[in-house]
Amino acid sequence: EIVLTQSPDFQSVTPKEKVTITCRASQSIGSSLHWYQQKPDQSPKLLIKYASQSISGVPSRFSGSGSGTDFTLTINSLEAEDAATYYCHQSSSFPYTFGQGTKLEIK
Amino acid sequence: EVQLVESGGGLVQPGGSLRLSCSASGFTFSSYAMHWVRQAPGKGLEYVSAISSNGGSTYYADSVKGRFTISRDNSKNTLYLQMSSLRAEDTAVYYCVKDPAPTAMGDYFDYWGQGTLVTVSS
Repeated sequence: EIVLTQSPDFQSVTPKEKVTITCRASQSIGSSLHWYQQKPDQSPKLLIKYASQSISGVPSRFSGSGSGTDFTLTINSLEAEDAATYYCHQSSSFPYTFGQGTKLEIK
Repeated sequence: EVQLVESGGGLVQPGGSLRLSCSASGFTFSSYAMHWVRQAPGKGLEYVSAISSNGGSTYYADSVKGRFTISRDNSKNTLYLQMSSLRAEDTAVYYCVKDPAPTAMGDYFDYWGQGTLVTVSS
């Protein structure tokens, strides 16, 4: 099973700040890494697919990068509505797995 | 508009059974693989099961293999998860999730339902 480890687990940030969340895979997964945002009491929502591909309707301040084992989700100029938990997900091989999540709190 | 509506959750005793359903609309259901993902209260996401568009291929996480069965009825645009021998650790919100491709191989999840809560407790 491929283990995904996110860092940090929690971050308290101020609006307009730049945020970086990392996801490290226990073995190479190419670009089969996707990012989701889950706001309180809501279902997860796809933010980035295949490490760096943008999703229609997702604000351009969200971007992704990386390949192999190390990946990054970047949120430029954070907004209050970005308060949520962010998960990475690998689809390189079954069982699909998720990172443990990174909770962003807006100060 | 893609809609995935889960139903069938509830309180069940350990060792009991439950069948979840997911009614799909807004897309050609028979053309896409589907998945179940769960989330225990206050915890992260856990992958459960997958089924290809025609139902010919299925996959299960080790934690549910032999106890859960995924199926679909393309004539009814409905996905199912039959759960048996339920344990306390199966307590979670179960999400129905759409794949962007016919085969459940190597893809992301483009749409999620709102989830249905399953509670296993005596």
